Amino acid sequence: RKEVEQDPGPFNVPEGATVAFNCTYSNSASQSFFWYRQDCRKEPKLLMSVYSSGNEDGRFTAQLNRASQYISLLIRDSKLSDSATYLCVVNTGNTGKLIFGQGTTLQVKP
Amino acid sequence: NAGVTQTPKFRVLKTGQSMTLLCAQDMNHEYMYWYRQDPGMGLRLIHYSVGEGTTAKGEVPDGYNVSRLKKQNFLLGLESAAPSQTSVYFCASSQGPGLFTGELFFGEGSRLTVL
Repeated sequence: RKEVEQDPGPFNVPEGATVAFNCTYSNSASQSFFWYRQDCRKEPKLLMSVYSSGNEDGRFTAQLNRASQYISLLIRDSKLSDSATYLCVVNTGNTGKLIFGQGTTLQVKP
Repeated sequence: NAGVTQTPKFRVLKTGQSMTLLCAQDMNHEYMYWYRQDPGMGLRLIHYSVGEGTTAKGEVPDGYNVSRLKKQNFLLGLESAAPSQTSVYFCASSQGPGLFTGELFFGEGSRLTVL
């Protein structure tokens, strides 16, 4: 079983829709969590960190549930430019060892 | 504004050949990483380093060796390439302990094909 698991999708949604992605992790000692975005044939880039109390950055909301060991990302009012692969990333200790999920592909259509 | 630079960007090898991928960063980062990315598999951590002279195994270390002789460089070696090592390789760096934010700075990737 992979340490970090995501539904690969693809998620096909119309512009303006709200879409949510989930991610589960297996190591209960994991300490920090992130969402990255990767455009086709490009390198991944940090989208946002995930804090225990949940956090929001514009149209993006990240949540962490330590008891159930999952992380979520909610995108409101989807734009065409949100089309990308979203990667869940877990720091499995305080060591800088970052493990990526396989990514969830989002396609936003006009 | 170089950031993280990987060389080469493309390479075709025959089975059994060896090669080294070079990653260089100019941000004085402590942590450096090598990932590989295959279709449907996401990024998988090969090896990483938490400082000059240190290396550690990631999720898929077999068939690869690494060295971090200088803080700014992280080398990934394939001693005897296999077709299963055909992939896109990403190097990344980040701040070290006390400054670690989870933000990895990636190179543009190196596309390796093993025939």
